[in-house]
Amino acid sequence: GENVEQHPSTLSVQEGDSAVIKCTYSDSASNYFPWYKQELGKRPQLIIDIRSNVGEKKDQRIAVTLNKTAKHFSLHITETQPEDSAVYFCAAGSSGSARQLTFGSGTQLTVLP
Amino acid sequence: EAEVAQSPRYKITEKSQAVAFWCDPISGHATLYWYRQILGQGPELLVQFQDESVVDDSQLPKDRFSAERLKGVDSTLKIQPAELGDSAMYLCASSLLIDTQYFGPGTRLTVL
Repeated sequence: GENVEQHPSTLSVQEGDSAVIKCTYSDSASNYFPWYKQELGKRPQLIIDIRSNVGEKKDQRIAVTLNKTAKHFSLHITETQPEDSAVYFCAAGSSGSARQLTFGSGTQLTVLP
Repeated sequence: EAEVAQSPRYKITEKSQAVAFWCDPISGHATLYWYRQILGQGPELLVQFQDESVVDDSQLPKDRFSAERLKGVDSTLKIQPAELGDSAMYLCASSLLIDTQYFGPGTRLTVL
C-alpha cells in the first residue's frame, strides 16, 4: 500500500516569512495530492490539491509543487500570518474506484507575531 | 455551504461498553469514509462505502468494530466492547467527485 512521510513534524516561523512542508510517497500509481489544514479541535479543511498532470499550483499565498520522478510534493506558504498556525496534513491517493487517501503524520506550524 | 455532520461531538465511556457514532454526509455524496485519528497523527482509514456497499474495510478491527450505511446515506460506526486503546478522534468524510474528500467535525472518544 501507499506510504506517505511528512517533514518537519513542527515548524516555527516569524510572521511574514515563508514556510515549506515536504512529503514523499511510495506508490507510483498515486496521482492526487491534497493538503489539509486542521486547527485545534476542528475538522480538517482542504486548502489546496494537485493532480499528477501538473507540476505546480498556486492559490494566493499557498502553492504546491509536485515532482513525480522523485515522488515528493511540497506545500509553500508565503507571507505567513498568525492565523496560518495549525496542523497541516499532506495526503496521496489514486483516482479510480478506490479513491482512497493515505495521510502524512502532520506538521504543526506556528507563526510567531 | 453544505457540511458533513457527525454526532456526538464528544463521548466518554468505560472500557467494555458499547459506543456508536453517526455521520450524515453532504447530500448526494456517494462515497463515505470513516477515519480514526490518534492525537499527533494523520487520519487512518477504517472503512469506505460506495452508496450502501463496503468498498474497503481491511483496516477495520472487525472483532469489535462494525459499520453500516443501510440506505446509502447516513452511516453508523459502532465499537463493542470499547478498549482503552480506542481513545481517538473518529472522523467521517464524504466525496462526490473522484478525489475531493470533505470532513466532518469528528467525534472525540475517551475510554476510561
